[in-house]
Amino acid sequence: NAGVMQNPRHLVRRRGQEARLRCSPMKGHSHVYWYRQLPEEGLKFMVYLQKENIIDESGMPKERFSAEFPKEGPSILRIQQVVRGDSAAYFCASSPDRGYYEQYFGPGTRLTVT
Amino acid sequence: AQSVSQHNHHVILSEAASLELGCNYSYGGTVNLFWYVQYPGQHLQLLLKYFSGDPLVKGIKGFEAEFIKSKFSFNLRKPSVQWSDTAEYFCAVNAQAAGNKLTFGGGTRVLVKP
Repeated sequence: NAGVMQNPRHLVRRRGQEARLRCSPMKGHSHVYWYRQLPEEGLKFMVYLQKENIIDESGMPKERFSAEFPKEGPSILRIQQVVRGDSAAYFCASSPDRGYYEQYFGPGTRLTVT
Repeated sequence: AQSVSQHNHHVILSEAASLELGCNYSYGGTVNLFWYVQYPGQHLQLLLKYFSGDPLVKGIKGFEAEFIKSKFSFNLRKPSVQWSDTAEYFCAVNAQAAGNKLTFGGGTRVLVKP
């Protein structure tokens, strides 16, 4: 039973470019969460999605960041016009449904903005 | 808004020593509590969780945690650590009224010397 998959594992972007991070949840899971870990800090919640719906985006920066979880395919976290401060590890987690509070994490994508 | 604090950023121990990591949260309502571990180069794994019932929770690899509601604490313990326990440990809280998102502490890096 494959776990949560994220790709790429490492991503290098120059300032002003776009970054696309992908997350495939565990089989049977329809809820996806994105978290960001800045250097020397804990994980911070960004967004919670269900298939084709954003449930909670209270942790998303107001500009340049967007997330989607289409009916088919992985969830995508998109960062437009990246800046150095976006350099971080981005973790995706999944759960089977809304009332299930335990989350299963992927290996993360480490974004470096040069 | 809820917050989670972990008292120690770094802990260095010798093998066979006992380990206790502190975690306090600020939220007055019903909470679900988690400890995650991240071994070097790996993704976050769930060590143990508390939803309700017996406040002393046993997890994997000999870890346990005690929920003390009056102190808003969920400290992690292991009586005798091994070199393989070298990892970063994260306490996380889900406030049920706030939906499914997890709020993480800043993490504690534990180094066990052989």
